[in-house]
Amino acid sequence: QSALTQPASVSGSPGQSITISCTGTSSDVGGYNYVSWYQQHPGKAPKLMIYDVSNRPSGVSNRFSGSKSGNTASLTISGLQAEDEADYYCSSYTSSSTLEVFGGGTKLTVL
Amino acid sequence: EVQLVQSGAEVKKPGESLKISCKGSGYSFTSYWIGWVRQMPGKGLEWMGIIYPGDSDTRYSPSFQGQVTISADKSISTAYLQWSSLKASDTAMYYCARLRGSGSYYNPVGFQHWGQGTLVTVSS
Repeated sequence: QSALTQPASVSGSPGQSITISCTGTSSDVGGYNYVSWYQQHPGKAPKLMIYDVSNRPSGVSNRFSGSKSGNTASLTISGLQAEDEADYYCSSYTSSSTLEVFGGGTKLTVL
Repeated sequence: EVQLVQSGAEVKKPGESLKISCKGSGYSFTSYWIGWVRQMPGKGLEWMGIIYPGDSDTRYSPSFQGQVTISADKSISTAYLQWSSLKASDTAMYYCARLRGSGSYYNPVGFQHWGQGTLVTVSS
């Protein structure tokens, strides 16, 4: 069982917005602003989309945004495009000896 | 350009040893933490551990402590992940990845650069 809880799947139509949640505890998501989000297309390495809860690395579209409230972080993708169809993973620093944990992943389907 | 190039796919038998590699280029290898991430077939990402090549400071997830060894040779800008006795359950894709920020203080600001992955298959 993953330390962070994500929905198994979400879907949306082109142009719409979707939000993926990532729920942890006060020992990880809620306690630190060290939440990252990754996009992974089939057969490819993950790609960093968001770091430190809401910051985008250079080159990542501004259609991707991150936020956090309490023990839940969220990734929002606006103006959905076919190329956004992928698996998305959150990760967070944790005060446990694990240091960092991933969520179970969410499969995004663009209808 | 930052690049992490991993060694090729491996097919091993249970009980055999293995060491896979991750060569960094395009940046100061000793200044950035490099981590290892496991992805079992059809499953999600798992954080295994991380090393700072500058001083070989290494941290492990409890799930992987004692099961694998992470090391680095800064003279050739290469990080390693090794097993002394493989199990069928070690079958997975293994990625190395570099943290976004530099420095010896562990600052979990996300893995911005990833290797292409090394597929390890363990089967009798």
